[in-house]
Amino acid sequence: KQEVTQIPAALSVPEGENLVLNCSFTDSAIYNLQWFRQDPGKGLTSLLLIQSSQREQTSGRLNASLDKSSGRSTLYIAASQPGDSATYLCAVRYGSSNTGKLIFGQGTTLQVKP
Amino acid sequence: NAGVTQTPKFRILKIGQSMTLQCAQDMNHNYMYWYRQDPGMGLKLIYYSVGAGITDKGEVPNGYNVSRSTTEDFPLRLELAAPSQTSVYFCASSSRGYYEKLFFGSGTQLSVL
Repeated sequence: KQEVTQIPAALSVPEGENLVLNCSFTDSAIYNLQWFRQDPGKGLTSLLLIQSSQREQTSGRLNASLDKSSGRSTLYIAASQPGDSATYLCAVRYGSSNTGKLIFGQGTTLQVKP
Repeated sequence: NAGVTQTPKFRILKIGQSMTLQCAQDMNHNYMYWYRQDPGMGLKLIYYSVGAGITDKGEVPNGYNVSRSTTEDFPLRLELAAPSQTSVYFCASSSRGYYEKLFFGSGTQLSVL
């Protein structure tokens, strides 16, 4: 069964700390992986998209890595700020069709304390 | 930039009632999706569309229907609402399916009592 797991479910850190969010998937035959941010009462915002042939993607203070062989992806946030507080979800795409199958993890809720 | 617009934001239904959740995007995206998000769970795909006139079922389509008469609009119809359909519903779109980033609406919180 194709599953995506994010541990921990919640994380609290002081402002300025560097942190890593984890995403693991059971089937390594992925096409791509996306990291999303969700603020309370809002929709999801796509942060980074890593294709299966890539090892990492960077955007500002965010860096996402992908290791298909171990079934893991990490989202690294540098110099965290209170504005980074949100729920972060990873989603793994399978299948060769145009839409394939996108499986979401349950998310990690991050709180950055001033 | 409007992006993906969903209406209404909140709705309470009685068991057996019907309603339509509206979704519109102004990015000329061919691909549109409907997801539901239950507390503490990931998103589940209900229906999707690869273009006007073309729709297909996702993982959890029972109790729902969709139509896609234009590129911009992708409404989701709930017939005979049940408590199990209490959830937050998100509409999303993309230009080339899952090859590219998804753009999400702000969601509709639905309660069926």
